[in-house]
Amino acid sequence: EAGVAQSPRYKIIEKRQSVAFWCNPISGHATLYWYQQILGQGPKLLIQFQNNGVVDDSQLPKDRFSAERLKGVDSTLKIQPAKLEDSAVYLCASSSIGRRVTDTQYFGPGTRLTVL
Amino acid sequence: ILNVEQSPQSLHVQEGDSTNFTCSFPSSNFYALHWYRWETAKSPEALFVMTLNGDEKKKGRISATLNTKEGYSYLYIKGSQPEDSATYLCAFTNSGGGADGLTFGKGTHLIIQP
Repeated sequence: EAGVAQSPRYKIIEKRQSVAFWCNPISGHATLYWYQQILGQGPKLLIQFQNNGVVDDSQLPKDRFSAERLKGVDSTLKIQPAKLEDSAVYLCASSSIGRRVTDTQYFGPGTRLTVL
Repeated sequence: ILNVEQSPQSLHVQEGDSTNFTCSFPSSNFYALHWYRWETAKSPEALFVMTLNGDEKKKGRISATLNTKEGYSYLYIKGSQPEDSATYLCAFTNSGGGADGLTFGKGTHLIIQP
């Protein structure tokens, strides 16, 4: 079974530029999550989708971050404009059912973003 | 605000030795505790999901225990091997609301020395 795919793996941009990350979850997984992991911190949830609807985006900085999950499969996370403090690893995860806290979340390898 | 604390932050262990580390979490409204292993340049790998007080899970040389009343979990590695070198993350989910995003600790960075 293929895992969660993410691209690109690495990205370097200047501050105030825009950037987008892509995630393809495990086939059939209804729930998709985006996490941000800043160096020295644990991953922090940014947004959770159930199919193509948003379940939780309370920690998403909506003035610059946006995410969508068209057709309930792939998802993109965008930052516009980027700030220095956005330098982090962006992790995508998926689970088969969601809304059931014992479901395992399967993670992709992440995108490491450096903002100069 | 939910706080998940892990200790120690980093740990150097001699190959063949056993080791353990701690995860502390809020004991109120507990639902589940997850352990992950994250090797550099790889995806975080799920180790355990634990829900019941007193629960104990095992996967090869790695095991974990859970105390939901006092809010802690231990992860044990028996006979450490170089491939055990990784960051071990614990994550907590409470029963508030319908979302089940994980709240992570900062992790324990484990280095196995040959």
